[in-house]
Amino acid sequence: EAQVTQNPRYLITVTGKKLTVTCSQNMNHEYMSWYRQDPGLGLRQIYYSMNVEVTDKGDVPEGYKVSRKEKRNFPLILESPSPNQTSLYFCATADREETQYFGPGTRLLVL
Amino acid sequence: AQKITQTQPGMFVQEKEAVTLDCTYDTSDPSYGLFWYKQPSSGEMIFLIYQGSYDQQNATEGRYSLNFQKARKSANLVISASQLGDSAMYFCAMREYSSASKIIFGSGTRLSIRP
Repeated sequence: EAQVTQNPRYLITVTGKKLTVTCSQNMNHEYMSWYRQDPGLGLRQIYYSMNVEVTDKGDVPEGYKVSRKEKRNFPLILESPSPNQTSLYFCATADREETQYFGPGTRLLVL
Repeated sequence: AQKITQTQPGMFVQEKEAVTLDCTYDTSDPSYGLFWYKQPSSGEMIFLIYQGSYDQQNATEGRYSLNFQKARKSANLVISASQLGDSAMYFCAMREYSSASKIIFGSGTRLSIRP
């Protein structure tokens, strides 16, 4: 079954404690992306990756890091989380026909 | 600059009626793609339909069609014969291909279907 998985699905943490949200896909897609969703703002792209070892900033990259060491995985790293990073995070992948497949989302609360 | 605008924060429609969700965009890139996604209350993002800037015909997927008016820079989603299960948030999105591969989303429209 084609799928995008994210872990954890829910996370409560404290300011400054480094965390990683994992994203994995089994569809062999080259394009992967991270978004955050906040009320009234829709989804905003944080980082995207066109292929292994190729990553680029989206609209809101500050405070986030990513890596793409292998095609199937695209982890999102928050080195020093702050309360304004409390949000719903989505990982997504895209095939050549541009259909984007989203993960189930990760709800993050930073206290 | 790349921009997506959805001017309808919320809409109410009677079941079985057709509904049009508005989306306008702004880009200077001649090569771009437009997308619509559905987000039900459960939270997952569901891809609905895609339109490329060079596509000659409007995209259709079952009950969904995209009314693409390039000169007006609009890409409205039309849902025919609405169903109760269509109640959800709907997002329009755009990807520019020439300059970068960023994807931007509109702020969304909450559609509620009345029985």
